[in-house]
Amino acid sequence: GDSVTQMEGPVTLSEEAFLTINCTYTATGYPSLFWYVQYPGEGLQLLLKATKADDKGSNKGFEATYRKETTSFHLEKGSVQVSDSAVYFCALKGYSSASKIIFGSGTRLSIRP
Amino acid sequence: DVKVTQSSRYLVKRTGEKVFLECVQDMDHENMFWYRQDPGLGLRLIYFSYDVKMKEKGDIPEGYSVSREKKERFSLILESASTNQTSMYLCASSFGSGSTDTQYFGPGTRLTVL
Repeated sequence: GDSVTQMEGPVTLSEEAFLTINCTYTATGYPSLFWYVQYPGEGLQLLLKATKADDKGSNKGFEATYRKETTSFHLEKGSVQVSDSAVYFCALKGYSSASKIIFGSGTRLSIRP
Repeated sequence: DVKVTQSSRYLVKRTGEKVFLECVQDMDHENMFWYRQDPGLGLRLIYFSYDVKMKEKGDIPEGYSVSREKKERFSLILESASTNQTSMYLCASSFGSGSTDTQYFGPGTRLTVL
């Protein structure tokens, strides 16, 4: 079945460092891919998404490119801030309307001032 | 903005108690979902509903039931709470079920079963 694998955390970086959180997926057909973020004490919220191969999703300085050839959707940010400290979830949803969202296990990111 | 609210942020119950978790969304969304979130396991789908009075089992429905009597409200019921149901419970809603549809989440209810 469909699945999502993302790098295990926690990830700790200094402010202004470059961030990459790896995400790879297994799916039949052409799923849509998502990154959700969960700030402390809150529910998940959509950070960005991409719906077809080579699409780049972007928001709040974060970017991720849908790479079908490597089945990846890595999250990147050029210069992280303390306020980016959160848990990040990679997710996919299959093309079929009956498909459910499949979430990765989450990566906790902590940014040091 | 879409707003999904959950009845409690924190809840402490005893083993064997019947527990109700309520979720309300204000955007006339068709679909509603209940997940539990546990460290290292991500989010796991318990139940979902595509319409009023309709429900579908997710990946881990055992020990849970749901009720959707009105479009905006989706309740999760633990008939007899057990300690292994201690978890964070997240409710979500979405407008459609297409591949691009975004799910909107509530803030979560952290349930502790003693």
